[in-house]
Amino acid sequence: DAGITQSPRHKVTETGTPVTLRCHQTENHRYMYWYRQDPGHGLRLIHYSYGVKDTDKGEVSDGYSVSRSKTEDFLLTLESATSSQTSVYFCAISESGGQNTEAFFGQGTRLTVV
Amino acid sequence: RKEVEQDPGPFNVPEGATVAFNCTYSNSASQSFFWYRQDCRKEPKLLMSVYSSGNEDGRFTAQLNRASQYISLLIRDSKLSDSATYLCVVNMSSRLKVTFGTGTKLQVIP
Repeated sequence: DAGITQSPRHKVTETGTPVTLRCHQTENHRYMYWYRQDPGHGLRLIHYSYGVKDTDKGEVSDGYSVSRSKTEDFLLTLESATSSQTSVYFCAISESGGQNTEAFFGQGTRLTVV
Repeated sequence: RKEVEQDPGPFNVPEGATVAFNCTYSNSASQSFFWYRQDCRKEPKLLMSVYSSGNEDGRFTAQLNRASQYISLLIRDSKLSDSATYLCVVNMSSRLKVTFGTGTKLQVIP
């Protein structure tokens, strides 16, 4: 299995609080992604990174920010958590951004905003 | 219309049966296609890529029909361990425009 870990694995937080999720990889892959998965929507891209300090928005980026200060770490921050951000969050990595490149996923973080 | 559409199922099939899933995509510029498998409460994992000429991996066969803009996954001789959700993934023209389908749930029953 690819060396990718997410922390925490589960979190319950209150509306309005900031939350940071961490993705750590040991594969030295250039590309890292944050997705959320919700029933009826599948996996939707929040933000991605194509190198240290190089990030860009995905399709559902509102209310989220990211940072990548090292190759191995990609942080996702919910600036002020809302109930609509209750979801399962997956981090993924890929060696390149090529069209036929496999993405490897972390085990996911279940976030509940109450 | 959604960019990638799948029948959510569930498909309930007996062991040993053959089952097929289709996935349609809306962007004719899409260039690469994949099937991922996701077990309950687990992360998605690549099952197979889908090539223009079609490809086979053991009991699994994937095909692409560009004219009708769909991909298919055929599973022969279904096993209990095949029970999972199968995600269709389409990579659009730009390298990071990857769209996941919502998944088709398969339940293989004894």
